[in-house]
Amino acid sequence: AQSVSQHNHHVILSEAASLELGCNYSYGGTVNLFWYVQYPGQHLQLLLKYFSGDPLVKGIKGFEAEFIKSKFSFNLRKPSVQWSDTAEYFCAVLTDSWGKFQFGAGTQVVVTP
Amino acid sequence: DAGVTQSPTHLIKTRGQQVTLRCSPKSGHDTVSWYQQALGQGPQFIFQYYEEEERQRGNFPDRFSGHQYPNYSSELNVNALLLGDSALYLCASSQTGGADTQYFGPGTRLTVL
Repeated sequence: AQSVSQHNHHVILSEAASLELGCNYSYGGTVNLFWYVQYPGQHLQLLLKYFSGDPLVKGIKGFEAEFIKSKFSFNLRKPSVQWSDTAEYFCAVLTDSWGKFQFGAGTQVVVTP
Repeated sequence: DAGVTQSPTHLIKTRGQQVTLRCSPKSGHDTVSWYQQALGQGPQFIFQYYEEEERQRGNFPDRFSGHQYPNYSSELNVNALLLGDSALYLCASSQTGGADTQYFGPGTRLTVL
């Protein structure tokens, strides 16, 4: 069965620390990959997406993600986090041409001052 | 330009009742997808509407049904509510039939007592 795995459920780090969130998917075909973020009290927002081309994609607010096809991974990174990055982060995979998304369980990130 | 809107914001029902949730897509979008997000989990795909038809469906029982109107707005209906239906219900809209970025609404929090 197709699945999306996010390795960490909770991450706590200090401001200026680097962040890396893991995402692995199980699907053998062509996939489009997304990272969404949900800030406290807000709705899900797109951080970045990968459809094709350069496997290193840059998103909003200094986030980037690297698609490694051989590892079925799409890890999210930010070199230096801010308190305002406190949020829940979701990896999602678009597995068909009709727009069916499969989401991971999410990672709650807390950045302490 | 209004984004995706959903109503109501919160809803409390009792077991066995029926509920209708509503969604207006982002301007220019023709596809609406519905997701259920239980506490501590990622969104789970319920179904998707395009051209007023249910185009595909996730692993949800027939108690979950929907509708899309000519103006692309959509409804999610749940019959014979169970305690386990308590969740945040998210609507997402997209254009070009769905195989692109989905934009999410704020959700409707349903509590079943």
